[in-house]
Amino acid sequence: KAGVTQTPRYLIKTRGQQVTLSCSPISGHRSVSWYQQTPGQGLQFLFEYFSETQRNKGNFPGRFSGRQFSNSRSEMNVSTLELGDSALYLCASSLSLQNSPLHFGNGTRLTVT
Amino acid sequence: QKEVEQNSGPLSVPEGAIASLNCTYSDRGSQSFFWYRQYSGKSPELIMFIYSNGDKEDGRFTAQLNKASQYVSLLIRDSQPSDSATYLCARRDRDDKIIFGKGTRLHILP
Repeated sequence: KAGVTQTPRYLIKTRGQQVTLSCSPISGHRSVSWYQQTPGQGLQFLFEYFSETQRNKGNFPGRFSGRQFSNSRSEMNVSTLELGDSALYLCASSLSLQNSPLHFGNGTRLTVT
Repeated sequence: QKEVEQNSGPLSVPEGAIASLNCTYSDRGSQSFFWYRQYSGKSPELIMFIYSNGDKEDGRFTAQLNKASQYVSLLIRDSQPSDSATYLCARRDRDDKIIFGKGTRLHILP
């Protein structure tokens, strides 16, 4: 079974631009979560989607948004990029909500210059 | 969001010894707990999950959960150099979000 697929793997953007990251979950997984990982803050929860609905949102500004499609694929968007948005963005999927672990993709490395 | 606390390390353990990684949490409503391993430049990979008090063993790994003390640990027996990585502890909170600690760096000394 294929794992979680994230595209692109690397992105370089300039301040003020926007970016869209894509995530395809493991087949059959309906929950998709997004995390931002930086050396100083570790893994920070962004949001979680289940059946096209955002069920949880972390403490990030409104510039960070996401959505999930009917096939469970998910995208996240960051508008008006700031230097501090440079990070590894990780998508993870899970089979269901209760007690299910997350399975991570390889991540998208975003660099904002 | 309630924290998950881990010692950042590095924790240095001789090859062949037992590595003990610890994690505490502050939300008594947490139901399930996870240990992930992350190699430098890679994404986290699941090692084990546990949601009942007591021990859970899988090969060289044992997860231990004590909900009364709000403590979860991971033991790695017969440590190998390939076990050198950052270990992330995580819990699923009341809202079903999975919250991660900042990780403990483990270094196995050959």
